[in-house]
Amino acid sequence: DAGVIQSPRHEVTEMGQEVTLRCKPISGHDYLFWYRQTMMRGLELLIYFNNNVPIDDSGMPEDRFSAKMPNASFSTLKIQPSEPRDSAVYFCASSPVGMNTEAFFGQGTRLTVV
Amino acid sequence: GENVEQHPSTLSVQEGDSAVIKCTYSDSASNYFPWYKQELGKRPQLIIDIRSNVGEKKDQRIAVTLNKTAKHFSLHITETQPEDSAVYFCAAVLPLNTGGFKTIFGAGTRLFVKA
Repeated sequence: DAGVIQSPRHEVTEMGQEVTLRCKPISGHDYLFWYRQTMMRGLELLIYFNNNVPIDDSGMPEDRFSAKMPNASFSTLKIQPSEPRDSAVYFCASSPVGMNTEAFFGQGTRLTVV
Repeated sequence: GENVEQHPSTLSVQEGDSAVIKCTYSDSASNYFPWYKQELGKRPQLIIDIRSNVGEKKDQRIAVTLNKTAKHFSLHITETQPEDSAVYFCAAVLPLNTGGFKTIFGAGTRLFVKA
């Protein structure tokens, strides 16, 4: 397996534009997580899915952020409209069934909103 | 709410010395404690983990200890090498009433190993 795959690796966009980040979890993993990492706030859990169903989205900062998981092999995180303070590295991670298991992270998407 | 505090935020050691990073968690129901290493520009990767029914776990030069009473767990790296330089994150996993779970990360410790 190639691991968790995220795209794009880098994204530069203008304030006000819509941004869509994509993630393909490891096949067979039932849990998918979206994290945001900044120098100021560290690693923050935004939302996670279990069997394609959103379980906890309490970390989503604002209504501008939305996430979907239409099937077991694909998820998106969308920001609309984007703002400069959204600039960060966004990681997707997946875990197998069960809570006491390792989270496997993707390479991340570095988002810059200018 | 749930919280994980991690100290120190920065740690500088001489090659060959030991490094210790400490974390405390707030919710006593947490029962899984992974440690991740993140090298510059790369993804976090698990280096060791411990479950709440174990007090200590060791894997070569790294070890983790857990004190459930104090809600405290620590990462110990012995005989440090320059390639150990990275940011280390602790985390506490908390089961939810819904049947799901929540992972809370510490703020991270930037470790510098000087050759």
